[in-house]
Amino acid sequence: EAQVTQNPRYLITVTGKKLTVTCSQNMNHEYMSWYRQDPGLGLRQIYYSMNVEVTDKGDVPEGYKVSRKEKRNFPLILESPSPNQTSLYFCASSSGAGGAYEQYFGPGTRLTVT
Amino acid sequence: GQSLEQPSEVTAVEGAIVQINCTYQTSGFYGLSWYQQHDGGAPTFLSYNALDGLEETGRFSSFLSRSDSYGYLLLQELQMKDSASYFCAVRVAGGKLIFGQGTELSVKP
Repeated sequence: EAQVTQNPRYLITVTGKKLTVTCSQNMNHEYMSWYRQDPGLGLRQIYYSMNVEVTDKGDVPEGYKVSRKEKRNFPLILESPSPNQTSLYFCASSSGAGGAYEQYFGPGTRLTVT
Repeated sequence: GQSLEQPSEVTAVEGAIVQINCTYQTSGFYGLSWYQQHDGGAPTFLSYNALDGLEETGRFSSFLSRSDSYGYLLLQELQMKDSASYFCAVRVAGGKLIFGQGTELSVKP
């Protein structure tokens, strides 16, 4: 089954404790992206990757890191989480860049930073 | 800055037609997409317009006017299951996507 998986689905952590949210897709997609969703703000792009070893900043990259060492994986790293990073996070992938191609979204990761 | 504007809420009755508008102000434009999201679940892709005009996919249609920086999503024969949030998104450069804040559609019986 074609899918994007994220782990963990729910996470409660404390300020400053490094964490990684994993994202994996099994569709051989070149494009992957991370978004955060906050009430009233819609989806905001954090980082995206056009292919292996190619990543670029979205609209709200501060406080986040990503890497793309393999085509299927695109982990999101929070080196020192803060309460303003409490949010719902989505990973997505598509066969090409941006809007022209259907993006497949993962189920989301709900992160709470206390 | 870059922004997309959509109404925050729309209410309609079953069987009716509803139009959700999206106006955008962006530096660069490659196309306008629409996504549907039920209750905080994963968004799902509905349509994409790169050129002016209407694209139809079943009960859903999407329209774009590049000269007016405007597009809309048209939902016909509304069903209860269409109650969801709808987001427009613009590809501005490379792989960068800007999303609107979303329109919450409530379909009443």
